[in-house]
Amino acid sequence: ETGVTQTPRHLVMGMTNKKSLKCEQHLGHNAMYWYKQSAKKPLELMFVYNFKEQTENNSVPSRFSPECPNSSHLFLHLHTLQPEDSALYLCASSLGTSVWNNEQFFGPGTRLTVL
Amino acid sequence: DQQVKQNSPSLSVQEGRISILNCDYTNSMFDYFLWYKKYPAEGPTFLISISSIKDKNEDGRFTVFLNKSAKHLSLHIVPSQPGDSAVYFCAASAGNNDMRFGAGTRLTVKP
Repeated sequence: ETGVTQTPRHLVMGMTNKKSLKCEQHLGHNAMYWYKQSAKKPLELMFVYNFKEQTENNSVPSRFSPECPNSSHLFLHLHTLQPEDSALYLCASSLGTSVWNNEQFFGPGTRLTVL
Repeated sequence: DQQVKQNSPSLSVQEGRISILNCDYTNSMFDYFLWYKKYPAEGPTFLISISSIKDKNEDGRFTVFLNKSAKHLSLHIVPSQPGDSAVYFCAASAGNNDMRFGAGTRLTVKP
């Protein structure tokens, strides 16, 4: 049990579908993150939430829409995705976002395939 | 732009020997560096970190070295064990939310 769970673990969707990824952390952390891991590429930071407020949006296309209803839950709503969006989507949490408390704990990821 | 680079996609080492994983960065504002380890079907797990005020941090079999002038850090694992076989990610941050990761190096430790 890593303390950060993600559902579903695998998702296949068509380009016209709407789906959501869910992340939940049981660590009492205040910051949550979405990352995209494409094959042989660095982890790409997508969004950061700190105390439920979005603090980073790294030029992510609007077809990805995050939602953070509370510090323990983070969603990534997906709509009209493209095949190149197929990747592993990782959620992470940290106690805070300063350099001394931003060590991140990751979930297992959702393997997304867009057909 | 790729501010954190791990130029070796893979590394194979014999059990008991030293594993050295390398990482280079370009952003001189980075002041905190971390190594994460990732097994298949799991998310990355934090391994060890170092701040820019140090040049070495040791934790058991794992030691991270930082060379700020060369913008280079390395992770040494000694002795290497088969259970160390995983993908290792180098990460760096500039004291803000934005942590940048390298592409990872797959370490294989052979028995």
